[in-house]
Amino acid sequence: SQKIEQNSEALNIQEGKTATLTCNYTNYSPAYLQWYRQDPGRGPVFLLLIRENEKEKRKERLKVTFDTTLKQSLFHITASQPADSATYLCALLMDTGRRALTFGSGTRLQVQP
Amino acid sequence: KAGVTQTPRYLIKTRGQQVTLSCSPISGHRSVSWYQQTPGQGLQFLFEYFSETQRNKGNFPGRFSGRQFSNSRSEMNVSTLELGDSALYLCASSKGTSGVYNEQFFGPGTRLTVL
Repeated sequence: SQKIEQNSEALNIQEGKTATLTCNYTNYSPAYLQWYRQDPGRGPVFLLLIRENEKEKRKERLKVTFDTTLKQSLFHITASQPADSATYLCALLMDTGRRALTFGSGTRLQVQP
Repeated sequence: KAGVTQTPRYLIKTRGQQVTLSCSPISGHRSVSWYQQTPGQGLQFLFEYFSETQRNKGNFPGRFSGRQFSNSRSEMNVSTLELGDSALYLCASSKGTSGVYNEQFFGPGTRLTVL
């Protein structure tokens, strides 16, 4: 069966360090992969989208990589700040007739001042 | 530009009742998707609408239904509520015709509690 795995344990890092979050998938050949941020009690907020033919995407302090051989995406936040503390979700989209985003369970990031 | 709005924000119902949730997308967005979020199952896709047509549906029972109006506003309905339907229901809209291929703009959600 298709499966998306994100580290269910919270990631705790010190302010100023780089946070790296992992999204692994099995039995997928996704066309797109998206990353979202979700704060408690609020809807997810889109961060970055990367396509299967792209290796890396950057936006300000954020960087996403997409390795279709390893079936893995890495999400990096450089120079992390306490305000970056949130749950980060990856979502995959198959390029088939099924037009649906499948979300991972998310990883909670806690940046300590 | 106003974001995605959802009403009501909180709702308490009892088993067996039905409920209708409403979503107003960002102005100009024609694609609306609905998701259910629970602690155990995470975010799960319910259905997507574009130009008043359901384009795709997730793996939920027929008790979950939706529709979209000509102004792109959407409603979802859950009939014969069960305790397991307690969740945060999120609506998301996106630009253009590609729907979920684009970034999704989520609303704040409706917190449904079934007693």
